[in-house]
Amino acid sequence: GIQVEQSPPDLILQEGANSTLRCNFSDSVNNLQWFHQNPWGQLINLFYIPSGTKQNGRLSATTVATERYSLLYISSSQTTDSGVYFCASAPYNQGGKLIFGQGTELSVKP
Amino acid sequence: EAGVAQSPRYKIIEKRQSVAFWCNPISGHATLYWYQQILGQGPKLLIQFQNNGVVDDSQLPKDRFSAERLKGVDSTLKIQPAKLEDSAVYLCASSFQDRGETQYFGPGTRLLVL
Repeated sequence: GIQVEQSPPDLILQEGANSTLRCNFSDSVNNLQWFHQNPWGQLINLFYIPSGTKQNGRLSATTVATERYSLLYISSSQTTDSGVYFCASAPYNQGGKLIFGQGTELSVKP
Repeated sequence: EAGVAQSPRYKIIEKRQSVAFWCNPISGHATLYWYQQILGQGPKLLIQFQNNGVVDDSQLPKDRFSAERLKGVDSTLKIQPAKLEDSAVYLCASSFQDRGETQYFGPGTRLLVL
């Protein structure tokens, strides 16, 4: 089945710094989403981005489907950005189910 | 627009007991998913419904887990009997259709089996 790999597994930043999170996937997909899981466990949708580039405030994401990777950019990080970031993709031949990566745990220090 | 609702939020049971979780998806969403998230891992799909039919239950431990979505709206997931390794967060998600659509997640039910 499809493999979804995220890097780095952990990241510690000083408030105000920028960061890039990477997601590699091993097969063609018809869905790719980025989530932020807050300390209470809620998965918050950040981007639905099977291809192309999107921006939402300090966050932006780019997916290059032909090269099977996606990037999440966080600029001017804040302590509230702390938590686990998940990338998830849905392979073309497996209906809609999302396959999640292991996540990147981000800690932003004041 | 109301999000995906789940209850209860927390549950503590002893092994071999039974437990049930409830999910109400976003109105109009035909597809409903149950995921299991073990601590330190990403969520893993247990079962996917399209309206009231099962699309994928290949990773559901059918000897102890069951799920239904009788009227194609809300859904229940049951574990009977529970094992220690079932301790996890159970997440419900929904999407308008089943392919290439954004999935929206509920707050989850945190289960602890003692």
